[in-house]
Amino acid sequence: NAGVTQTPKFRILKIGQSMTLQCAQDMNHNYMYWYRQDPGMGLKLIYYSVGAGITDKGEVPNGYNVSRSTTEDFPLRLELAAPSQTSVYFCASNAGANVLTFGAGSRLTVL
Amino acid sequence: DQQVKQNSPSLSVQEGRISILNCDYTNSMFDYFLWYKKYPAEGPTFLISISSIKDKNEDGRFTVFLNKSAKHLSLHIVPSQPGDSAVYFCAASATGNQFYFGTGTSLTVIP
Repeated sequence: NAGVTQTPKFRILKIGQSMTLQCAQDMNHNYMYWYRQDPGMGLKLIYYSVGAGITDKGEVPNGYNVSRSTTEDFPLRLELAAPSQTSVYFCASNAGANVLTFGAGSRLTVL
Repeated sequence: DQQVKQNSPSLSVQEGRISILNCDYTNSMFDYFLWYKKYPAEGPTFLISISSIKDKNEDGRFTVFLNKSAKHLSLHIVPSQPGDSAVYFCAASATGNQFYFGTGTSLTVIP
């Protein structure tokens, strides 16, 4: 049972480039989340989804987009990458039982 | 605006002693609280939780205490072990859809 799988683990982008962080879960969870972790700032919610076809903004959505076409996948799109988006990104899922299961994280650097 | 706060960025404890990690929150609508543990280069993993209808929950060496009137919770680890050295995040939820995290406390258990 893989749980929550994130790809890539590391990526370096130039300012203005775009990319997609992939997240997949095999637990049939309805709820999925994207967080970013900056040093000393904890985890901030970017976007979340309560089921296929439904997404909603979290605390820090600007500069990001998401889609949820299937229960399993919840990709995070960065358009026009900026240095402020340098962070570690975590995807998580939840069956509705109040416990999040996290992926291992994706470290993104924008230069 | 940080709704969940962990005011101690770091804590050092001798092996065998008690570790006490603290967390404060501002939103009185929060009704579920969790503690996560995070090792470097890994995603956070769930440790223990408590519902607002309780004031204590225990799981082995880990106990979480909730003081609703003070909007404060704490995690006690007894006895502390070197393998407990990690960053601990407090999290809170009001709806079960969104989870708000604190900034984390880095615990070092000294052998």
